[in-house]
Amino acid sequence: ETGVTQSPTHLIKTRGQQVTLRCSSQSGHNTVSWYQQALGQGPQFIFQYYREEENGRGNFPPRFSGLQFPNYSSELNVNALELDDSALYLCASSEGGLAGTYEQYFGPGTRLTVT
Amino acid sequence: DQQVKQNSPSLSVQEGRISILNCDYTNSMFDYFLWYKKYPAEGPTFLISISSIKDKNEDGRFTVFLNKSAKHLSLHIVPSQPGDSAVYFCAASITGNQFYFGTGTSLTVIP
Repeated sequence: ETGVTQSPTHLIKTRGQQVTLRCSSQSGHNTVSWYQQALGQGPQFIFQYYREEENGRGNFPPRFSGLQFPNYSSELNVNALELDDSALYLCASSEGGLAGTYEQYFGPGTRLTVT
Repeated sequence: DQQVKQNSPSLSVQEGRISILNCDYTNSMFDYFLWYKKYPAEGPTFLISISSIKDKNEDGRFTVFLNKSAKHLSLHIVPSQPGDSAVYFCAASITGNQFYFGTGTSLTVIP
């Protein structure tokens, strides 16, 4: 059973650019959630995807968008990058349904630096 | 608006003693609470959870207590071991679609 993997590990972008982060969910999991963790803070919920549909969204602007594929892997896209977008981006997968599931398994994260 | 709060950024405990990590929340709609443990350069690892219909859940050395009237939960680790040194996050959820995390407490267990 493979765990949650994320790519890339680190990324440096310039303000105004666009970025795509990728996540492969744990085998058997159909739900993926994305989080942003700024330095010294807890993870902040961005959105969740269940079977390719958005299933919940946190307080993030529309320039944060996502996608889930038929194999349940997922992408997080951020447009018009701002300096405050510099953070660790975490992906978590779970085995759930529309009512949600509670035990999420996290990947190691992608460290994004915006200069 | 921080709906889940961990007011102690750090905690140091002697090996073999009890570690108590605290968490407060403001939203009475939360129906599930979780604790995660995080080592540097790794993602958070699920530790233990509790439903809002219970007030206690145990798993080995880890026990979570929930006081709904006070909107407070705590994680007890007994006995504490040096390998328990990590950052601990509490999280709360409404129906499992959104999760709200606290800012974390860094636990150091001194040998």
